[in-house]
Amino acid sequence: GDSVTQMEGPVTLSEEAFLTINCTYTATGYPSLFWYVQYPGEGLQLLLKATKADDKGSNKGFEATYRKETTSFHLEKGSVQVSDSAVYFCALSDRGANSKLTFGKGITLSVRP
Amino acid sequence: KAGVTQTPRYLIKTRGQQVTLSCSPISGHRSVSWYQQTPGQGLQFLFEYFSETQRNKGNFPGRFSGRQFSNSRSEMNVSTLELGDSALYLCASSWGDKNEQFFGPGTRLTVL
Repeated sequence: GDSVTQMEGPVTLSEEAFLTINCTYTATGYPSLFWYVQYPGEGLQLLLKATKADDKGSNKGFEATYRKETTSFHLEKGSVQVSDSAVYFCALSDRGANSKLTFGKGITLSVRP
Repeated sequence: KAGVTQTPRYLIKTRGQQVTLSCSPISGHRSVSWYQQTPGQGLQFLFEYFSETQRNKGNFPGRFSGRQFSNSRSEMNVSTLELGDSALYLCASSWGDKNEQFFGPGTRLTVL
């Protein structure tokens, strides 16, 4: 079945550091890929998405490129802020599975001033 | 536009009891999905409803059930609660199949 693998966490960075969070996937079809963010005590918010190979999703300085050849969707940000501290989830939606999302385990990012 | 709302936000139950959680989707959204979030298993898909019909179901026992009403509001029910059912239950709504899902704040269920 479909699966998403995220790098192990947690991750602690200093403000203005470069961020990379790795995500790879396994899917039988051609999935859409997502990054969601969860702030403490809240639900998930969509951060960015990509629906086909080579698409780049971007939002709030975060970027991720859909790489079909490496089945990856790594999240990057050039300069993190304290306000980026949250849990980040990589997810996929198989086009044949309606709205079902398959999530990675999530990674906690802490950014210190 | 109001977001996805879930009630109650917190719930404490004892083993063997049953519980019903409610989700009101964003106005106009017809699809409602439910997820269970636990520290050990992460986020797992429970089921999805579209126009009052269950379209998809995850790998959960039959104690977990749901339904959707004509106004798209959805409820999920867990019967004969077990300690392992303690989790954050998240509801998400979307307009259709390929659209972004919007998540509610979740209901934190604690089973004692």
